Amino acid sequence: DQQVKQNSPSLSVQEGRISILNCDYTNSMFDYFLWYKKYPAEGPTFLISISSIKDKNEDGRFTVFLNKSAKHLSLHIVPSQPGDSAVYFCAAIRTGTYKYIFGTGTRLKVLA
Amino acid sequence: DADVTQTPRNRITKTGKRIMLECSQTKGHDRMYWYRQDPGLGLRLIYYSFDVKDINKGEISDGYSVSRQAQAKFSLSLESAIPNQTALYFCATSDFGDGAEAFFGQGTRLTVV
Repeated sequence: DQQVKQNSPSLSVQEGRISILNCDYTNSMFDYFLWYKKYPAEGPTFLISISSIKDKNEDGRFTVFLNKSAKHLSLHIVPSQPGDSAVYFCAAIRTGTYKYIFGTGTRLKVLA
Repeated sequence: DADVTQTPRNRITKTGKRIMLECSQTKGHDRMYWYRQDPGLGLRLIYYSFDVKDINKGEISDGYSVSRQAQAKFSLSLESAIPNQTALYFCATSDFGDGAEAFFGQGTRLTVV
């Protein structure tokens, strides 16, 4: 059973506009959430994270929002740039288990 | 040099062969992981280790085994490779601390024919 889901396999956005990537989870015991970006032929690289005690975390153009009641998080990229074109994975972790559970990924394409 | 190094980067092997994928890290982390990536399935955890004496099965450990030779080295073995083990394999490490990020190697593309 997929505990972390990314229901949109792909997303296309115009350069300069906002990209919104979504992620849903089923396990209410998760207490940290992370977003990773992956380019072809490279390993995933960490983007931004959020603790379950917060509902928002910002880092430059990247903002992650967490809605615990809906078990939903989203990554906003503003403004989107062509270099943001990549596959984005969300991941969840429960304190004490130290196992990162990943979603299926969303391929973002930013059109110039 | 990369902090998390995987060898080989690409490998083609035949069904039934034994193959080992190696991972070494210079980050000094105790926690190490093996994941596989398949289209539409994301990254799935195969095995993880918190130190040389602590090995744990992940979501999809059947058909795989691991060895933690040292704090810095974590190897994944396919005892008898089968075609549905064709995938992209990633090693990762993380530090202590709740919510600590994981650092990934560049991956090994394995094809079983």
